[in-house]
Amino acid sequence: GDSVTQMEGPVTLSEEAFLTINCTYTATGYPSLFWYVQYPGEGLQLLLKATKADDKGSNKGFEATYRKETTSFHLEKGSVQVSDSAVYFCALSYNQGGKLIFGQGTELSVKP
Amino acid sequence: DTAVSQTPKYLVTQMGNDKSIKCEQNLGHDTMYWYKQDSKKFLKIMFSYNNKELIINETVPNRFSPKSPDKAHLNLHINSLELGDSAVYFCASSQGAGAPNSPLHFGNGTRLTVT
Repeated sequence: GDSVTQMEGPVTLSEEAFLTINCTYTATGYPSLFWYVQYPGEGLQLLLKATKADDKGSNKGFEATYRKETTSFHLEKGSVQVSDSAVYFCALSYNQGGKLIFGQGTELSVKP
Repeated sequence: DTAVSQTPKYLVTQMGNDKSIKCEQNLGHDTMYWYKQDSKKFLKIMFSYNNKELIINETVPNRFSPKSPDKAHLNLHINSLELGDSAVYFCASSQGAGAPNSPLHFGNGTRLTVT
């Protein structure tokens, strides 16, 4: 079946460091891909998305490119801030009634 | 003006009890969802409703019964609670059944602890 795998956390970085959170997927078709972010005590918020191969999603300095050949959707940011500390979830969807298949989440902690 | 609101935020109860979690959205969306997040933060869909009609029931035990009185509300009733039901339950909504250009909006979650 379809699945999403993310790198294990927690990831701890210093402020202004470069961030990469790896995400790979297994899919039987051509899903849309998403990154959601969960700040402490809150629900998930959509960070960015890509709906087809080679699309790049970007928001708030984060970006991810839909790579069909490597079945990946890695999240990157050039310079992280303390306020980026959160749990990041990669997900895929075929729009089947809104069913998102999530990865296990990667906790990011950014130190000043 | 919270977009998706859930109550209660915390729920502590004993095994065997029956409890409900309520969810309301004021975004005018026509689709609502319940997701379960376990202790390892793994998220999985439980149910989705589109215009009050059940469209996804993801092999959830029948002790869990969602009810959608109108398209702005989706409640979750759980009978005979078990220890394994302890989790954070998230309500979400979207316009249309999850189209890529209509992302899900999540509530802040209800942390259920069964003792």
